[in-house]
Amino acid sequence: EVQLVESGGGLIQPGGSLRLSCAASGFTFTDFWMHWVRQVPGKGLVWVSRINPDGTRITYADSVKGRFTISRDNAKNTVYLQMNSLRAEDTAVYYCARVPNGGWGPFDPWGQGTLVTVSS
Amino acid sequence: QTVVTQEPSLTVPPGGTVTLTCASNTGAVTSDYHPNWFQQKPGEAPRALIYNTNNKQSWTPARFSGSLLGGKAALTVSGVQPEDEAEYYCLLFDGAAWVFGGGAKLTVL
Repeated sequence: EVQLVESGGGLIQPGGSLRLSCAASGFTFTDFWMHWVRQVPGKGLVWVSRINPDGTRITYADSVKGRFTISRDNAKNTVYLQMNSLRAEDTAVYYCARVPNGGWGPFDPWGQGTLVTVSS
Repeated sequence: QTVVTQEPSLTVPPGGTVTLTCASNTGAVTSDYHPNWFQQKPGEAPRALIYNTNNKQSWTPARFSGSLLGGKAALTVSGVQPEDEAEYYCLLFDGAAWVFGGGAKLTVL
């Protein structure tokens, strides 16, 4: 079964750091780009970042550029999102999703999400 | 900065047809924007419906179709069912990054 499982969320103070993980199983991890998307509860989806299969091509949304770092460990079938200098507006559920290499979708599946709360 | 705009809400009777649109402030949406459409129900993760303008997932009901219409990406639902009531999001690639629309709440009433 193809599965993505996010972890690492929690309550963190403004200015703090957190690393999210997304563990993949049931498919050949290196055949896919991996993306992070976030959603403030009750609000819309916001695309955050993407990384290509070998980790050499990375893109960020302007809102997180310079603060967030995406990476992947293909030996562990895991993609990470290192979040530094966290702000209250980074509070959201963070999802990971895969996209086939060379394709423009589908973004499928998505994980169940992990909640990050930035608050003092 | 690219801004993607969707209708915030639409209402359609069961059995009716509705078209949701997705516009970019950078100009007409073309296939180069690789439009994707997602359905999200309360408490659930989003689910991919349409990718690369008009390609369906294996589970996407036949009543859903994607297209380009009048300079926008479009998602048409023909013969709407009660279970189609959900939030729908479009996603466009602006040449550098992906950008979601604000979402459209579809009510079946």
